[in-house]
This record gives sequence, structure tokens and C-alpha cells, in this order.
Amino acid sequence: SQKIEQNSEALNIQEGKTATLTCNYTNYSPAYLQWYRQDPGRGPVFLLLIRENEKEKRKERLKVTFDTTLKQSLFHITASQPADSATYLCALGRRSASKIIFGSGTRLSIRP
Amino acid sequence: GAVVSQHPSWVICKSGTSVKIECRSLDFQATTMFWYRQFPKQSLMLMATSNEGSKATYEQGVEKDKFLINHASLTLSTLTVTSAHPEDSSFYICSARPSGLRTDTQYFGPGTRLTVL
Repeated sequence: SQKIEQNSEALNIQEGKTATLTCNYTNYSPAYLQWYRQDPGRGPVFLLLIRENEKEKRKERLKVTFDTTLKQSLFHITASQPADSATYLCALGRRSASKIIFGSGTRLSIRP
Repeated sequence: GAVVSQHPSWVICKSGTSVKIECRSLDFQATTMFWYRQFPKQSLMLMATSNEGSKATYEQGVEKDKFLINHASLTLSTLTVTSAHPEDSSFYICSARPSGLRTDTQYFGPGTRLTVL
């Protein structure tokens, strides 16, 4: 069965460092991959989308890579700030389907 | 832009009663909306895909007679939890995909916390 795994349940890093989160998938062929941010008690907020034919996408301090051979996406936050502390979710979607499937999420904490 | 609202933001009800949750796209039309459920410290699980003017498509294991979905307009979908029980207590989140645009992005509502006593 299809499976989406995010590297760790929680990640704790020092302010100013780069946070790197991992999303791996098996038994799935996504047409695109998305990253969302979710704060406690709130709905997810869309951050970035990367398609299967793209290697890298950037948006301000965020960078996403997508390796369909490794079946992996990396999500980087450079110059991390305490305000970046949240749960980050990856989600995969197929070309022919409208729905997306979420990974389990990584809770990121940035300490001052 | 691309704002989705949910009402109510939280609700407490007695076991056996029904609860209706509304999901509205405020500044765009959405042919397709999605309903998710999220238990504490878990990810979002898709319950059903709601299509305007037609029946919802439910995910495996989700009881369609218990979770009634109505998508009567391009800006409103409702989820009714019928005969709610304590195990239905969860965080319910909807999302909407803008119509007429070639986009795979979904915009999420703020969620509704349901507690069944």
C-alpha cells in the first residue's frame, strides 16, 4: 500500500540554522508534491508545490527539492526563526486525481 | 485572496445528536471541496471529496450515512455528523480547490473542533 513518511516526528534546531525536513514515499507515483505549515489548532497553510519534472523550487527562505528516483522531497528553511516553529506536512497528488495524501508531519521547533 | 472559512470553530454536543459543519470559500468558487479529519498528533486523513451538484466520494472506511456531505453551491459544502459518539470527537478540516483554474493547490479552512460527550 502507498506510504508517505516524514523523517522525524520532531526536529529541534538553533535559530539561524537551516532546517531540513524529509518526505519519503513508496508505492506511489505523484505528479506533484506540496508542503504545508500547520500551527496548533489551525488548518494547514499552503507553502510550495513542486511537480515531478521539477528538481527544485524556491520561495523566500524556503527551498524544496524533488527526486523521483529516490522518491524523496527535502524541504529547507534557511536562516530559521522561532516564528518558523510549527508542524510541516508534505502531501502528494496524482495527475488524474483531485485528492492529495498527507504525510504524518514533522514538528519543528526553533530555539532562540 | 483564497480564503476558506468554517463554522463553527468548535462545538460540544451530547452523544446521539447530529452536528453540522459549514465550509465556505469566501473569495473564489470551488467545484471541489474536501473534508478531512485529524486526531491529536496525527496527520490529516481524507474523509470524502465533495463535488458541487453531485454525490460526494467517500474514502474507504468512512460511513457515508454517518457523515453526510452536501455541496449545494460553488461556495458552500456542509458536513453533518449524524448520531455523534465520543469516538467522533476530532478536528474536522475542509479545503477547497478553485474552479476554472489549472491549479492543484487546495486552500484549507481553520478547522472545527468537535467534542462529543
